[in-house]
Amino acid sequence: KNQVEQSPQSLIILEGKNCTLQCNYTVSPFSNLRWYKQDTGRGPVSLTIMTFSENTKSNGRYTATLDADTKQSSLHITASQLSDSASYICVVSASFGNNDMRFGAGTRLTVKP
Amino acid sequence: DSGVTQTPKHLITATGQRVTLRCSPRSGDLSVYWYQQSLDQGLQFLIQYYNGEERAKGNILERFSAQQFPDLHSELNLSSLELGDSALYFCASSISGTPYEQYFGPGTRLTVT
Repeated sequence: KNQVEQSPQSLIILEGKNCTLQCNYTVSPFSNLRWYKQDTGRGPVSLTIMTFSENTKSNGRYTATLDADTKQSSLHITASQLSDSASYICVVSASFGNNDMRFGAGTRLTVKP
Repeated sequence: DSGVTQTPKHLITATGQRVTLRCSPRSGDLSVYWYQQSLDQGLQFLIQYYNGEERAKGNILERFSAQQFPDLHSELNLSSLELGDSALYFCASSISGTPYEQYFGPGTRLTVT
């Protein structure tokens, strides 16, 4: 079983609407959680990075939250734009010496006009 | 532009062949990470090098190998290629040995026929 589960698998919303993507993890001990945006055929781009002590972080219209107790994170996108259409990947790192990284399968977001 | 460069952009080869993918990290970054992303699949971490030394290993096949050179560029060697090796191969770099802030390259698309 993957240690990082993302939901939904895919999502279609209308331009201008808000949406929230979920990431649940079992990785332990927790080091940090990152959200990436990946356009089709392109390399992922970092949106936010959160450590154990951070419970929210914003990057423009993107706001990530982290609940380390329940091991859940969400990525909220406000006032969506067509350019937000992409895959959003949650990556959780364990605080091992080898920097064990676990990747979610991603949520495919489509924003329609 | 992340500052990470990868060559070639596309590669088409036959089964059983061997190929080399090249990555140049951002200026000043000491770590290089390699990832494989098959069609409609999530990112799979392959291997990490830090300042010339192997730092972490993920799901890398024995047919694959990598190295990081003194000038910090890295090469991923894929041998005895199979159809299932067709994928996007991404390189990422970070300034330290921990993947806290990673910058991804544009990827190399490998097609094995």
